[in-house]
Amino acid sequence: GAVVSQHPSRVICKSGTSVKIECRSLDFQATTMFWYRQFPKQSLMLMATSNEGSKATYEQGVEKDKFLINHASLTLSTLTVTSAHPEDSSFYICSARDTDKNIQYFGAGTRLSVL
Amino acid sequence: AQTVTQSQPEMSVQEAETVTLSCTYDTSESDYYLFWYKQPPSRQMILVIRQEAYKQQNATENRFSVNFQKAAKSFSLKISDSQLGDAAMYFCAYRPTGANSKLTFGKGITLSVRP
Repeated sequence: GAVVSQHPSRVICKSGTSVKIECRSLDFQATTMFWYRQFPKQSLMLMATSNEGSKATYEQGVEKDKFLINHASLTLSTLTVTSAHPEDSSFYICSARDTDKNIQYFGAGTRLSVL
Repeated sequence: AQTVTQSQPEMSVQEAETVTLSCTYDTSESDYYLFWYKQPPSRQMILVIRQEAYKQQNATENRFSVNFQKAAKSFSLKISDSQLGDAAMYFCAYRPTGANSKLTFGKGITLSVRP
């Protein structure tokens, strides 16, 4: 079936550094990808919608300069957490929509720990 | 705005028994999609089943079936012959039609399976 690959699965970084997370759709072209944040035992919180070739649309309260999203091709979107701080520590999940099937598939997530 | 309500935070089922997870939603749209996603301890989101609102027939995927009541805006998931591997967090989700439409998730329910 369709697969979305997310890398890295785990990253530990120092405060003030930037971290890039990649999301790839392996079996289909995804014009639309999504980035979520999830706190323990809670639901997914949509951060932004990423459209290939255009600027991402951010949800209210999400800092676009802090969370840079690039969707340069139909199979790749990246999320860069700039100048990370301990409060950015969380579980980040990407998702890609297969428009032919109208199904949204999810990556395995990235656990970010900022020291 | 659309909302998805999962009022039960936790449920437990005996192995091999049947369990039903409830979900209600609110929308003014007439056509939309409904989904159940499973998130096991690995935290990989897995699509369990989906339903198109214009279809009256309830979706079924092996041991998983839904009871879709459009007028009541209810979308429950029935798991038959429960297995230990079914233990996970389950999220009900709604999405209107449209190219850039977003998933709205419920808060989720934690299902445990007793051996």
